[in-house]
Amino acid sequence: SQQGEEDPQALSIQEGENATMNCSYKTSINNLQWYRQNSGRGLVHLILIRSNEREKHSGRLRVTLDTSKKSSSLLITASRAADTASYFCATDAADNFNKFYFGSGTKLNVKP
Amino acid sequence: DAGVIQSPRHEVTEMGQEVTLRCKPISGHNSLFWYRQTMMRGLELLIYFNNNVPIDDSGMPEDRFSAKMPNASFSTLKIQPSEPRDSAVYFCASSFVQGNEQFFGPGTRLTVL
Repeated sequence: SQQGEEDPQALSIQEGENATMNCSYKTSINNLQWYRQNSGRGLVHLILIRSNEREKHSGRLRVTLDTSKKSSSLLITASRAADTASYFCATDAADNFNKFYFGSGTKLNVKP
Repeated sequence: DAGVIQSPRHEVTEMGQEVTLRCKPISGHNSLFWYRQTMMRGLELLIYFNNNVPIDDSGMPEDRFSAKMPNASFSTLKIQPSEPRDSAVYFCASSFVQGNEQFFGPGTRLTVL
């Protein structure tokens, strides 16, 4: 299956620290996306990175993509308690860019 | 814009009953997705539509599940008959451009007793 897998499954840090989450996938992709899900809510899109990009920034978020290793990382700098949520990577398939596979997520807890 | 709207937000039903979940995508979006989320299996894509046409329903677990999109502003996911193992949160999502970000609704939490 193409499903991305996030690592670690859970992460607990203090407010102000950086949080790094990783995602690995199995087959070639066109795009990789990161989403956030607060408890009891739907997913919210954070950032999209295309297969020909290596790094992308959005505010306190930094995403890298290494297609040779089939992996991506999401870095949240200067974390806040409000960043507490589950984070998912979603990968498409090279032959179907409209069908995304979500990993099982990293549960991030930022302690105030 | 109100975002993706789903109804009901919570549904409790008994085994064997028919369940209908509803979704209104964001106006102007031409792709619509139905997902199911459980602790055991995570987030699974059930079916998606492009321009109201079902494109891939390979994720629909059984014939008990069916989905329709009669027009660009409305879709339903029906389970008939429902079973306890169908208990999950069902999300609808829409997107404007294929392969780009998806906007998720708040989900319907389904409990089948």
